Amino acid sequence: EDQVTQSPEALRLQEGESSSLNCSYTVSGLRGLFWYRQDPGKGPEFLFTLYSAGEEKEKERLKATLTKKESFLHITAPKPEDSATYLCAVQPYSSASKIIFGSGTRLSIRP
Amino acid sequence: DAGVIQSPRHEVTEMGQEVTLRCKPISGHNSLFWYRQTMMRGLELLIYFNNNVPIDDSGMPEDRFSAKMPNASFSTLKIQPSEPRDSAVYFCASSLGQAPYNEQFFGPGTRLTVL
Repeated sequence: EDQVTQSPEALRLQEGESSSLNCSYTVSGLRGLFWYRQDPGKGPEFLFTLYSAGEEKEKERLKATLTKKESFLHITAPKPEDSATYLCAVQPYSSASKIIFGSGTRLSIRP
Repeated sequence: DAGVIQSPRHEVTEMGQEVTLRCKPISGHNSLFWYRQTMMRGLELLIYFNNNVPIDDSGMPEDRFSAKMPNASFSTLKIQPSEPRDSAVYFCASSLGQAPYNEQFFGPGTRLTVL
């Protein structure tokens, strides 16, 4: 069964304290892996798409990496405005339209 | 561009009533998605349209749920009759392209409460 697991569920960091969020997946072939950011009361906002193991993408303080079994979202020197829930999603090869979201990691950055 | 527009933003109804949620995708986008988000189940894809045609409705929970896309600029998600377990935030998203692996733009959501 296709599955996406994110860890930790919640993470509290001090401003400037770098860390990583994990997204482990089990799918029958990976079409793509996506990272979204969701602020309270709003819809998810797209961050990255990764397609193959070894691929990396960066945006400001965020860098996403991908292996054959997991993806990491690295946050370097975070600021309070980086506080949000970060969602990981995968699209398996088994279906051109299926997309499976993880339960997310709630990130809180203290000033 | 105003982004994806959803209405209403909040809906409170009683069990057994019909509920209609509305969505206007970003102009020029040809794929539209309806999602449901709850604490227990997270974000779930309900149905996916491409060029106004339903491609995958396997996520629609049961026959009480139906979705239409009469034209490229409008879609509805209807629940009839509604039940308390339908309480959730419903998101509409749109993208350019033929599959979900393109960047999706989400609307602000409709928070539905069924009493």
